[in-house]
Amino acid sequence: GESVGLHLPTLSVQEGDNSIINCAYSNSASDYFIWYKQESGKGPQFIIDIRSNMDKRQGQRVTVLLNKTVKHLSLQIAATQPGDSAVYFCAGGGTALIFGKGTTLSVSS
Amino acid sequence: DTEVTQTPKHLVMGMTNKKSLKCEQHMGHRAMYWYKQKAKKPPELMFVYSYEKLSINESVPSRFSPECPNSSLLNLHLHALQPEDSALYLCASSQARDRVSGNTIYFGEGSWLTVV
Repeated sequence: GESVGLHLPTLSVQEGDNSIINCAYSNSASDYFIWYKQESGKGPQFIIDIRSNMDKRQGQRVTVLLNKTVKHLSLQIAATQPGDSAVYFCAGGGTALIFGKGTTLSVSS
Repeated sequence: DTEVTQTPKHLVMGMTNKKSLKCEQHMGHRAMYWYKQKAKKPPELMFVYSYEKLSINESVPSRFSPECPNSSLLNLHLHALQPEDSALYLCASSQARDRVSGNTIYFGEGSWLTVV
């Protein structure tokens, strides 16, 4: 079967630090991955995506890395800000997205 | 801001009531989704519509009945729900379900449902 999961349920960082959120997947057929941010009381917000033919993709303050050899992807947030505090989900799949369990990022000033 | 609009934002209903959740998108997307999310859990797929036709039903109980009147609208009709159905119901849309194109799914803010 297919599953997507995150290594740690919570991550606490200081403002200005870089954050790294990890995710592992089990299905080699997954060809597309998305990171979502979900703030309290809101729907998931698209952050960045990556296709399986890529190793790295950069956005504004965010970078996603994909390691297909070990079936692992990560989200790096540079200069983390209090507004980045939220639950982060990785999601992957082919024809249907499957969500991982989520990591709660807490940023303290 | 999301371009997927859901109404109502909050709904409280009794177990004998009939209510509906509504979703609208004007991005020209041809795939629309209903997800259910319980507290501190990831979203779980319920239904997928592709070109206004139901393409995936993830074994959802019949007390949940989806409807796609046109390519911009998606409804979820609720009847005889149970308290354990209380959750955040998320609507989402994407350009298509073709896996080559990718499946960037954009979510609405959700409808908070409480069944009493």
